[in-house]
Amino acid sequence: EIVMTQSPATLSVSPGERATLSCRASQSVSSNLAWYQQKPGQAPRLLIYGAFTRATGIPARFSGSGSGTEFTLTISSLQSEDFAVYYCQQYNDWPPWTFGQGTKVEIK
Amino acid sequence: EVQLVESGGGLVQAGGSLRLSCAASGFTFSNYVLNWVRQAPGKGLEWVSTITGSGQTTFYADSVKGRFIISGDSSTNTLYLQMNSLRAEDTAVYFCAKFGSVRGITSPFEHWGQGTLVTVSS
Repeated sequence: EIVMTQSPATLSVSPGERATLSCRASQSVSSNLAWYQQKPGQAPRLLIYGAFTRATGIPARFSGSGSGTEFTLTISSLQSEDFAVYYCQQYNDWPPWTFGQGTKVEIK
Repeated sequence: EVQLVESGGGLVQAGGSLRLSCAASGFTFSNYVLNWVRQAPGKGLEWVSTITGSGQTTFYADSVKGRFIISGDSSTNTLYLQMNSLRAEDTAVYFCAKFGSVRGITSPFEHWGQGTLVTVSS
């Protein structure tokens, strides 16, 4: 089973600042890596797939990078609606399909 | 527009059973792989089970194998999760989720339902 590890657990950022979230896989997942955003009481929403491709309707301030075992989600200028929990997930080696434990982006 | 609407959650005693449903619309049911993903209160996301569009192939997390059964009905466009021998640790919001690519399994979870809460009392 591939273990996904996200850091940091919590990120405190001021509106307008850049946020950088990290995700590490215990073995290579190639570029089969997705990022999701989840707000309280809501379902997760797909942001990025294929490590760097934005899903339909996702603003350009969200960008993904990396391959193999190291991945990054960058939010270039945080808006109020971006404060949420973010999960990475690998879909290269399954089952199981595995998620990271999440990074909470909170207002500084 | 893809829509996934879960139902069937509720309060059940440990050892009991519950069947969740997910009504799907906006896509050809038999062409896509569907899944159940759960989230315990205050915790992260955990994949539970997957079924191919044909229904011929299923996968289960070790934590539910032998207790849960996933199935689909393409005549009613409904996904099911039969949950037996429920435990306190099965308490979670259960989401129905659809993979993005036609018949693909190496795919992210592109569409999600709003979830249904299952509470197992011990």
